[in-house]
Amino acid sequence: EPEVTQTPSHQVTQMGQEVILRCVPISNHLYFYWYRQILGQKVEFLVSFYNNEISEKSEIFDDQFSVERPDGSNFTLKIRSTKLEDSAMYFCASRGLADYNEQFFGPGTRLTVL
Amino acid sequence: GDSVTQMEGPVTLSEEAFLTINCTYTATGYPSLFWYVQYPGEGLQLLLKATKADDKGSNKGFEATYRKETTSFHLEKGSVQVSDSAVYFCALSDRRGSQGNLIFGKGTKLSVKP
Repeated sequence: EPEVTQTPSHQVTQMGQEVILRCVPISNHLYFYWYRQILGQKVEFLVSFYNNEISEKSEIFDDQFSVERPDGSNFTLKIRSTKLEDSAMYFCASRGLADYNEQFFGPGTRLTVL
Repeated sequence: GDSVTQMEGPVTLSEEAFLTINCTYTATGYPSLFWYVQYPGEGLQLLLKATKADDKGSNKGFEATYRKETTSFHLEKGSVQVSDSAVYFCALSDRRGSQGNLIFGKGTKLSVKP
């Protein structure tokens, strides 16, 4: 069964460093998403991506964040200069073309900023 | 803005007990409603969904009915198993011009004891 994969499973970084979180969505999906969950809090929407551009983003997704689909299979989330409060679980998701199809989620990357 | 409120966990039940996890929502439009489940070490999986008022979603013995009058989507199961131990997330997707971005509740951790 096709699945969304994410790497790494756990990333530890120093404050101020850049991190790139990687996701491989399901191959025939066209909509891509990043969500995050700070420990003990809600899963929060960050950004959606369609047709090689951001289609929607939340207030959390400021200038420190960027997304890219560099090669037609990977979907990356970059944080330019990490802050302590960026420590969270980051989930990638993808879905097919039809409206309100199920979003398929990856297992998440736990980001720890020291 | 739109929001989802779930009952606080953790919830601990004995095998074969009846489960209810309450979920209420606030939305200005007519959202689709979802329950996602996260098993330990895995990503979020869609458990069930309902796209309009009075729809009942069901899967693996779990049920939830979209109640517009009470803005609720409570999750129920008649007889839980140890394998149901997981974190359950209620979510909505607002149809108004979005890419189907999901708004999640905080999640409810369920532990089922043999």
